[in-house]
Amino acid sequence: SAVISQKPSRDICQRGTSLTIQCQVDSQVTMMFWYRQQPGQSLTLIATANQGSEATYESGFVIDKFPISRPNLTFSTLTVSNMSPEDSSIYLCSYTLHGGEGAQYFGPGTRLLVL
Amino acid sequence: GENVEQHPSTLSVQEGDSAVIKCTYSDSASNYFPWYKQELGKRPQLIIDIRSNVGEKKDQRIAVTLNKTAKHFSLHITETQPEDSAVYFCAASTPGNTGKLIFGQGTTLQVKP
Repeated sequence: SAVISQKPSRDICQRGTSLTIQCQVDSQVTMMFWYRQQPGQSLTLIATANQGSEATYESGFVIDKFPISRPNLTFSTLTVSNMSPEDSSIYLCSYTLHGGEGAQYFGPGTRLLVL
Repeated sequence: GENVEQHPSTLSVQEGDSAVIKCTYSDSASNYFPWYKQELGKRPQLIIDIRSNVGEKKDQRIAVTLNKTAKHFSLHITETQPEDSAVYFCAASTPGNTGKLIFGQGTTLQVKP
């Protein structure tokens, strides 16, 4: 599997501000995803990051709040906009090597605390 | 859409005993079922997976079984060790080329020395 990294690894932010999280894979991958994991909870898919086009968002997540970019096959960003304390969570990116139904590999996550 | 239910939410076993975690899924068209282990403060790590054309798969002390008719699959860990203590998540693929996975709620496994 490819090496996947995220930055920042953690951050503390003030409400009303925005934070952009970067996800980098060391080789080209087919699909990239963004998840949110609240403390003690499961993984909730935010969106699929599509290369060269708008992301595909899951129910309950909107582009204005979570804009996503994927300029190429190795990199994606997730912005958490106009943050509130409810956005405090771990944000994880993942990738699949092949299209269709297969394994996802996760980045180390970004721990976000909003005050 | 796909829904995945996972049980139990917590499981405590003695070192050396076996542990079994069960998941059910709703979409009969799902074809891929991975299991992830997440240690405290770490990322989820894929530990084993199974496709719908296979009924069982083993990797050393870990095995996964799939019953497509009943739409359930299980993780079996034998000879548990303290380092098996973690949160385990099952997942099911959504059919088609979306690549998406739907995760179960997670099981916290504690292996007591």
